[in-house]
Amino acid sequence: DAGVTQSPTHLIKTRGQHVTLRCSPISGHKSVSWYQQVLGQGPQFIFQYYEKEERGRGNFPDRFSARQFPNYSSELNVNALLLGDSALYLCASSFSSGLGSGYTFGSGTRLTVV
Amino acid sequence: QQQVKQSPQSLIVQKGGISIINCAYENTAFDYFPWYQQFPGKGPALLIAIRPDVSEKKEGRFTISFNKSAKQFSLHIMDSQPGDSATYFCAASKGGSQGNLIFGKGTKLSVKP
Repeated sequence: DAGVTQSPTHLIKTRGQHVTLRCSPISGHKSVSWYQQVLGQGPQFIFQYYEKEERGRGNFPDRFSARQFPNYSSELNVNALLLGDSALYLCASSFSSGLGSGYTFGSGTRLTVV
Repeated sequence: QQQVKQSPQSLIVQKGGISIINCAYENTAFDYFPWYQQFPGKGPALLIAIRPDVSEKKEGRFTISFNKSAKQFSLHIMDSQPGDSATYFCAASKGGSQGNLIFGKGTKLSVKP
């Protein structure tokens, strides 16, 4: 079975630009979450989606937005990029049936803002 | 305010030794405490997790010890191997395993042959 797949794997953008990151969850997983991991730090929660509805939002500015599609894939959008947005962006999926299997993370998208 | 504090920042252990990583949390509403392992260029992978009604959980060479009154939990890696060299993160969430994870800052473990 394929794990959580993210695209692209690496990306270089200029300050002020916009970026879209994509995530395909494990087949059958209905919940997708996004995390930002700055170099040398633990991941920080950005968004959680379940059945196309936002279930949680972390402490990130409105420049960050996301959505989940009917096939449960998800996009993370960041507008007006800042140098500080340079990080590894991780997507995680879970079945979210209450069975408690936890999250499976993808390998992430490395975003560099120059 | 850092809700999950992890120590040490780095750890060097000889092959066959025991690696111990500690975490402390503030919020008593947390009800799920996982440990993740991350290799360079990869996303975190779930190692083992515990709920606060259990004081210890063991899976293979990995054991979580949980002290609810002290609001602390730790990861023990027995018979540490060079392949265990990675960064380890503790985390906590409200809402069980489906809740949003709050991570510690990580511990970089190096196991020397």
